[in-house]
Amino acid sequence: AQRVTQPEKLLSVFKGAPVELKCNYSYSGSPELFWYVQYSRQRLQLLLRHISRESIKGFTADLNKGETSFHLKKPFAQEEDSAMYYCALSSIFGNEKLTFGTGTRLTIIP
Amino acid sequence: EAGVTQFPSHSVIEKGQTVTLRCDPISGHDNLYWYRRVMGKEIKFLLHFVKESKQDESGMPNNRFLAERTGGTYSTLKVQPAELEDSGVYFCASSPSSGYNEQFFGPGTRLTVL
Repeated sequence: AQRVTQPEKLLSVFKGAPVELKCNYSYSGSPELFWYVQYSRQRLQLLLRHISRESIKGFTADLNKGETSFHLKKPFAQEEDSAMYYCALSSIFGNEKLTFGTGTRLTIIP
Repeated sequence: EAGVTQFPSHSVIEKGQTVTLRCDPISGHDNLYWYRRVMGKEIKFLLHFVKESKQDESGMPNNRFLAERTGGTYSTLKVQPAELEDSGVYFCASSPSSGYNEQFFGPGTRLTVL
């Protein structure tokens, strides 16, 4: 069965400090991994996906197949990063359901 | 371009009543997905339409839930009769058939069953 685990429900980080949101997964085969973000009073939106290998808003995530992890990182947190972050996976074959983790609420302390 | 829209934004009903949620996907998106987040738990997949056909309905919890997608455009999700455990936020998402697999989400409908 496919599963996404986000061990931290809440994470508080000081502004300017590094951020790491953890995500581990289990999946039979090769999944596609995503990070979605939901800012206050906004809809869920894609932050980044491993296949594009982009850096969005200073965030990066590296897929580690050996550790089955896809941790989200940012070297210097900003106040506008406060939001709910969800790690998710799907089939690499496209146009299939997303399996989400329980989410991590990130709060940046000014 | 308008994003995914959902109606209503909130619904409060009593146990045993019927509620119908509506989702309008982004124009031209063949794929339409329903998800829900029950309090304190993860966002869970309910079902997936490709145009008007149900591609995957493995996440539908029971036969009190009925989803339709008329003419491959908007979709409705009906809960009849509603139970307390159906309370949560119901999300709709859509994606095009071609290109990357990004799903665009609607704002959600918050359903409260009393």
